Amino acid sequence: DIQMTQSPSSLSASVGDRVTITCRASQGISNYLAWFQQKPGKAPKSLIYAASSVQSEVPSRFSGSGSGTDFTLTISSLQPEDFATYYCQQYDSYPPTFGGGTKVEIK
Amino acid sequence: QVQLAESGGGVVQPGRSLELSCAASGFTFSTYGIHWVRQAPGKGLEWVAFISYDGSNGYYADFVKGRFTISRDNSKNTIYLQLNSLRGEDTAVYYCAKDRITLAPLYSFDYWGQGTLVTVSS
Repeated sequence: DIQMTQSPSSLSASVGDRVTITCRASQGISNYLAWFQQKPGKAPKSLIYAASSVQSEVPSRFSGSGSGTDFTLTISSLQPEDFATYYCQQYDSYPPTFGGGTKVEIK
Repeated sequence: QVQLAESGGGVVQPGRSLELSCAASGFTFSTYGIHWVRQAPGKGLEWVAFISYDGSNGYYADFVKGRFTISRDNSKNTIYLQLNSLRGEDTAVYYCAKDRITLAPLYSFDYWGQGTLVTVSS
């Protein structure tokens, strides 16, 4: 199975900050990479697919980049509603696998 | 709008069975594959199973093969997950999630239900 490693596992940031989360795949996955946001007690929500395509109705401050093994999720200006845990997921190879998550907390 | 609603969770003893359901609406159900993904308390996300749009193919994570069975009823817009021989490590919130594309599976999830909690405990 492909291993997905996210870094950092947690971070503290302030409203208005630019935040970058990294996801690394154990082997090349082209651009078959998605990002999800999850708030406590809620279901995951799709943010990004195909590494850089933004899901409909997701604010434009969210963006994704990368290809091969290294990917990033960027929040250009952190908003109060963005404090959550973020997961990456590869869908290049079966079975699909997720990163361990990055918790974004309020500084 | 797309909606997925899971039900059927609860507390069950080790070795016993449970059936989860996922009712869908807001899209052409019979043309999309559907997944189950679980999340143990305080842990990350783990893909469990997939069923094709017509129910002809089901795929499973290695850790549930032979114990869980996925099925669907396109006349009822509903997916089922039969959980047998349950273990403590199966304790989790189980989510159903819609595949992003029609017909062939992509294993990319665009919409998720709110989840149903399964607790395996004596």
